[in-house]
Amino acid sequence: NAGVTQTPKFRILKIGQSMTLQCTQDMNHNYMYWYRQDPGMGLKLIYYSVGAGITDKGEVPNGYNVSRSTTEDFPLRLELAAPSQTSVYFCASSKRAAEAFFGQGTRLTVV
Amino acid sequence: GQQLNQSPQSMFIQEGEDVSMNCTSSSIFNTWLWYKQDPGEGPVLLIALYKAGELTSNGRLTAQFGITRKDSFLNISASIPSDVGIYFCAGQRWGNQGGKLIFGQGTELSVKP
Repeated sequence: NAGVTQTPKFRILKIGQSMTLQCTQDMNHNYMYWYRQDPGMGLKLIYYSVGAGITDKGEVPNGYNVSRSTTEDFPLRLELAAPSQTSVYFCASSKRAAEAFFGQGTRLTVV
Repeated sequence: GQQLNQSPQSMFIQEGEDVSMNCTSSSIFNTWLWYKQDPGEGPVLLIALYKAGELTSNGRLTAQFGITRKDSFLNISASIPSDVGIYFCAGQRWGNQGGKLIFGQGTELSVKP
């Protein structure tokens, strides 16, 4: 099993550019999450989804958008990249009332 | 919003010592989870707790779901160098905010051989 797969692993963006961070899982999990982790800090929830077609804001949603058209995929969109969005982004998935499994992360730098 | 307060922020211990860290919240959680993160990697689940008062072990690790549902602790016995890393607690609620998984700030553990 691949588990949770994130692409790309690394990316450098210029201020104002846009990009999509991809996340896919092959465990048929209903719940999926996007987190950002700044250096030396914990994980902050950006958006989450409890199933295809349903998304909701987390703790730090500003500057991001998500969609969930299938159970497997949960892409995160940055429309106008800002230096404050430099971070490591983690995608995770879980069954309801069960532990979340994480991807390897995407390290994003905005310059 | 919901916040998890995790302590201590960091620990420097000698190999063989026991370690204890905890997490508290002003809100009730239905599930408590403990994760470990190695540098450059995603968090990996250590222990999951689903019932108030539950005490669960995984090798040298033991975790408890507080009876008030607002706290949890993790103990590591007889620490070894590979225990080095950042440990996170996470709480999950069901209902109106079903599925929202919130993390503590982390405890960075250093083990001196």
